[in-house]
Amino acid sequence: EVQLVESGGGLVQPGGSLRLSCAVSGFTFSDHYMDWVRQAPGKGLEWVGRSRNRPDGGTTEYAASVKGRFTISRDEAENSLYLLMDSLKMEDTAVYYCARGSYISGWHYVGADWGRGTLVTVSS
Amino acid sequence: DIQMTQSPSAMSASVGDRVTITCRASQGISNHLDWFQHKPGKVPKRLIYAASSLQSGVPSRFSGSGSGTEFTLTISSLQPEDFAAYYCLQHSTYPLTFGGGTKVEIK
Repeated sequence: EVQLVESGGGLVQPGGSLRLSCAVSGFTFSDHYMDWVRQAPGKGLEWVGRSRNRPDGGTTEYAASVKGRFTISRDEAENSLYLLMDSLKMEDTAVYYCARGSYISGWHYVGADWGRGTLVTVSS
Repeated sequence: DIQMTQSPSAMSASVGDRVTITCRASQGISNHLDWFQHKPGKVPKRLIYAASSLQSGVPSRFSGSGSGTEFTLTISSLQPEDFAAYYCLQHSTYPLTFGGGTKVEIK
């Protein structure tokens, strides 16, 4: 059974940092692209960033709103995906989801499976 | 960045209604568009990928169509469990972008 479990959310002051973790099981982590998606209170879904799989170099992509402040990494020995968030702003307050990508007919798709999310609150 | 404009932003419908949601891309994205359903307190669920392919396990009353810049999600006969928010997502070009969402409420 595929499982993704996020952790590390909490209350942080503006300008602070936080690291989210996503522990995965039930699939070969190194084979899959992984994404972070967030939802601010009362708002829609927003794609945050992506970690490519090992065959594709393990490189990353980011939304413009977080580029330069957020860093995605993965530890394949620990079967974990991470989101390091620096210089946090109040508008980063959201539930953060990690999602497993799926590879279909030569393309990588978002969201075959999702974690339940972890809440990050940026407030003084 | 590619902007995804979704309409309507909210709608009221009755069980049994045919529901259509539209997503328009600011530039051509071929068929690189997916549809997600999101219920409060639940995780998002992918319904449609590649514009028109039904995700395994998703009821056949859901269908998607379109290519280029205009896309449609159709629910042929709305069921009580379908009241939720729906989002399109383009994955043609980075950064990936979601539409603003459509909240389908009970009339």
